[in-house]
Amino acid sequence: DVKVTQSSRYLVKRTGEKVFLECVQDMDHENMFWYRQDPGLGLRLIYFSYDVKMKEKGDIPEGYSVSREKKERFSLILESASTNQTSMYLCASRRQGASNQPQHFGDGTRLSIL
Amino acid sequence: GQNIDQPTEMTATEGAIVQINCTYQTSGFNGLFWYQQHAGEAPTFLSYNVLDGLEEKGRFSSFLSRSKGYSYLLLKELQMKDSASYLCAVSSDRGSTLGRLYFGRGTQLTVWP
Repeated sequence: DVKVTQSSRYLVKRTGEKVFLECVQDMDHENMFWYRQDPGLGLRLIYFSYDVKMKEKGDIPEGYSVSREKKERFSLILESASTNQTSMYLCASRRQGASNQPQHFGDGTRLSIL
Repeated sequence: GQNIDQPTEMTATEGAIVQINCTYQTSGFNGLFWYQQHAGEAPTFLSYNVLDGLEEKGRFSSFLSRSKGYSYLLLKELQMKDSASYLCAVSSDRGSTLGRLYFGRGTQLTVWP
């Protein structure tokens, strides 16, 4: 079974802090994704990565950056946290290639910015 | 732009059949996924359709009509544990976005005893 592990289930930080959310997958997947999920808005893509050192902006990249130094790890960085970044953050990974390959999700990190 | 529409909420009773619809307008298409997400948990993959027609997997079936930009998820013999949010997602086939998914806002299904 694919395992996508996010470093924290719950996280509380203060406005202005630099926040790191970590995601690790154990299936040697090329593609990795970061989403945020808010009530009534569904899943929105922040950034994604096709392979090591590669990154592409999703629909809402402002205020975020990412790092993919190793294939199994994809980090989301909030450069200077703000209250409107309070949300559930979900990481996903996927094997590149056939179109029917699904994305596999981690359990999520519920981040509160005070 | 990408537009994925699905109803916000649905209710049904145990043992019944429910159909959750999804319509989409996207600039590219490389298949449609359905995911299930229980409250506080990760979305889990249910089905994938790329050709027109019905795909059946036990109590769950998914249908696709590419010409109509329409899909549905059919749940039979509903159980209480089927209470969850169901997410429709379209895969894009454009260049560097291969494999990227565009999600609808999810349909919250409540199953009553």
